[in-house]
Amino acid sequence: ETGVTQTPRHLVMGMTNKKSLKCEQHLGHNAMYWYKQSAKKPLELMFVYSLEERVENNSVPSRFSPECPNSSHLFLHLHTLQPEDSALYLCASSQGGTYSSTDTQYFGPGTRLTVL
Amino acid sequence: GQNIDQPTEMTATEGAIVQINCTYQTSGFNGLFWYQQHAGEAPTFLSYNVLDGLEEKGRFSSFLSRSKGYSYLLLKELQMKDSASYLCAPLGSGAGSYQLTFGKGTKLSVIP
Repeated sequence: ETGVTQTPRHLVMGMTNKKSLKCEQHLGHNAMYWYKQSAKKPLELMFVYSLEERVENNSVPSRFSPECPNSSHLFLHLHTLQPEDSALYLCASSQGGTYSSTDTQYFGPGTRLTVL
Repeated sequence: GQNIDQPTEMTATEGAIVQINCTYQTSGFNGLFWYQQHAGEAPTFLSYNVLDGLEEKGRFSSFLSRSKGYSYLLLKELQMKDSASYLCAPLGSGAGSYQLTFGKGTKLSVIP
C-alpha cells in the first residue's frame, strides 16, 4: 500500500444524505489534514490533526465533522451538504507530532464530491 | 492574512525553459513550498525553500527572496509530462500554528 489513500474516489450525494470520507496514511506520520479544492479556487485548509488532536479548524461549517481515531486514519463526516460543497476533498499527512514548519505534506488522490 | 499571486496559465515548448513566478504576503513566514498537480490527481511535493537563494533539483530549481516576498520555479528541458498545475504555497502562521496556504496555481501547457 502506498502513501496516502482515500476512499471513495468519487461520491455523489443528495443534500439530505449522510456520508463519510476516509483517509489512511501508511507513512508513519503524526499529522493529518483535510483540504477542499474547488474549481478555480486555491486549496483551502479545513482541519488539522496532530497526534490525533485537532489543532486547527479554519471556520468550517458544522455540516463537516472530522474524526481522527488514530494517527493513521482520518475521516470527514458529511451531512446536509449544499451544492456549493461540491469539490475535490484532499487528505494529506506530514511527519511531525507538532505542526512543524519544515514538514512536507504528502497528499492522497482525493475524493471528488458532487452534491445534488 | 495571506495573499499569493501567480500567473493563471503559461504555455511553453517541449525542450525549452520556463519560469513560474510567485509573489506572496504572509505573516510569520517560515518557508515556501512548490507542488505539482496533474489534472485529477493529488499535489506532489517539488521543493521547499526557507533561505534566500536557488535550490536545484534535477530539471527543477526553486528560488526564494524573502525580503521581496518572491519565489520562482524554473523548469528546464521541458517534457510533455510537465504539463500540470504548479502550486506556490508559503508557510505562515495562523491561529497559533503554522499554516500552509496555497495559491490558485499556474496551469502549464507544454506543446510539441
